[in-house]
Amino acid sequence: GNSVTQMEGPVTLSEEAFLTINCTYTATGYPSLFWYVQYPGEGLQLLLKATKADDKGSNKGFEATYRKETTSFHLEKGSVQVSDSAVYFCALYYGGGFKTIFGAGTRLFVKA
Amino acid sequence: AAGVIQSPRHLIKEKRETATLKCYPIPRHDTVYWYQQGPGQDPQFLISFYEKMQSDKGSIPDRFSAQQFSDYHSELNMSSLELGDSALYFCASSSQAGTRQETQYFGPGTRLLVL
Repeated sequence: GNSVTQMEGPVTLSEEAFLTINCTYTATGYPSLFWYVQYPGEGLQLLLKATKADDKGSNKGFEATYRKETTSFHLEKGSVQVSDSAVYFCALYYGGGFKTIFGAGTRLFVKA
Repeated sequence: AAGVIQSPRHLIKEKRETATLKCYPIPRHDTVYWYQQGPGQDPQFLISFYEKMQSDKGSIPDRFSAQQFSDYHSELNMSSLELGDSALYFCASSSQAGTRQETQYFGPGTRLLVL
């Protein structure tokens, strides 16, 4: 079946450190891949997406590349800020009214 | 830009009561999805509707029902509430159903507490 696996958290970094959150997926066909961010007490916000192999999604300094050969969609940011502290969810989605499949989420803490 | 609207934002109920959550999708979005997120958990898919017809079904208890109305808003009805129903309930909407450009946009959620 389809699934998403993320690296376990929490991840604790100092401000301006480099961030990588690993995400791998198992899927049939060609889903779109997403990263969502959830700040404390808030809803899910779409961070970035990629709809086909080799696409790179980017937003607010975050990037992720859809790698079909390694079935991965790792999230990266060159220099994190305290305000990036949140839970990050990797997800895959086929569209057409079908559900989004989420990873378990990775909590990020950034220290000043 | 208009976003997905959910109401109420917070709801407190007692066990065995009923609750109705409402979702108003982004204008011109034809597909609505419901998710349940327990504390420290990832969102779990409940049910979705496309053009007022159920399109996919997940782990929705029989005590819950949902529908999408002619104006595309959706309601999630929850009966015989249990303590374990306490969670954050998200609605999401999308358009271009069935295309690779489709993206789900999530609402802020309704936080339900069952006492």
